[in-house]
Amino acid sequence: ETGVTQTPRHLVMGMTNKKSLKCEQHLGHNAMYWYKQSAKKPLELMFVYNFKEQTENNSVPSRFSPECPNSSHLFLHLHTLQPEDSALYLCASSRGSGTSGTTDTQYFGPGTRLTVL
Amino acid sequence: AQSVTQLGSHVSVSEGALVLLRCNYSSSVPPYLFWYVQYPNQGLQLLLKYTSAATLVKGINGFEAEFKKSETSFHLTKPSAHMSDAAEYFCAVSVSGSARQLTFGSGTQLTVLP
Repeated sequence: ETGVTQTPRHLVMGMTNKKSLKCEQHLGHNAMYWYKQSAKKPLELMFVYNFKEQTENNSVPSRFSPECPNSSHLFLHLHTLQPEDSALYLCASSRGSGTSGTTDTQYFGPGTRLTVL
Repeated sequence: AQSVTQLGSHVSVSEGALVLLRCNYSSSVPPYLFWYVQYPNQGLQLLLKYTSAATLVKGINGFEAEFKKSETSFHLTKPSAHMSDAAEYFCAVSVSGSARQLTFGSGTQLTVLP
């Protein structure tokens, strides 16, 4: 399997449930990202991991908890979500290191469509 | 801080007609610029990127974009639209030294009419 994969592709959960989203990249990259894509809004960067260390947390509520056990895998643990959290959650990866002047193109997975009831 | 503005949330063209999707950026330092495409129920796919080399950038599927510093623009064009080009297109900017972060525009939905 190549590229960036995400599971599940669709998820429906109640506000009291706990679930996890999984992302796996097969590109040999060292940086991974979670984005939220809501209808009629720009993509929102949620978290950035570089070499398994979290480097960015863009004021994301604590009901979203990321985990990066290694450079190939990224999880987003969800608990006590709200209906407004319903969105497409996209994972991306890039080479990482972020050396000044590099472009570090991000490659995206297909996303998980989350619906919170 | 950087930002991106995409003019026109919806653009319709006839099959075979020119495609022009507009993107203007704001950045205090030399930017890197990207165009991504998103087909229904899929993630984002990189079309092309500008990295301070040639100002005219050619991408996949016949698309190209021209970086114009004086106009702070990076418009996406394709000479002849195909039905398969119908999708949502996103312009994004990244600044030197923080290459891990992309700021995205709101997107433009392209409809291709038969």
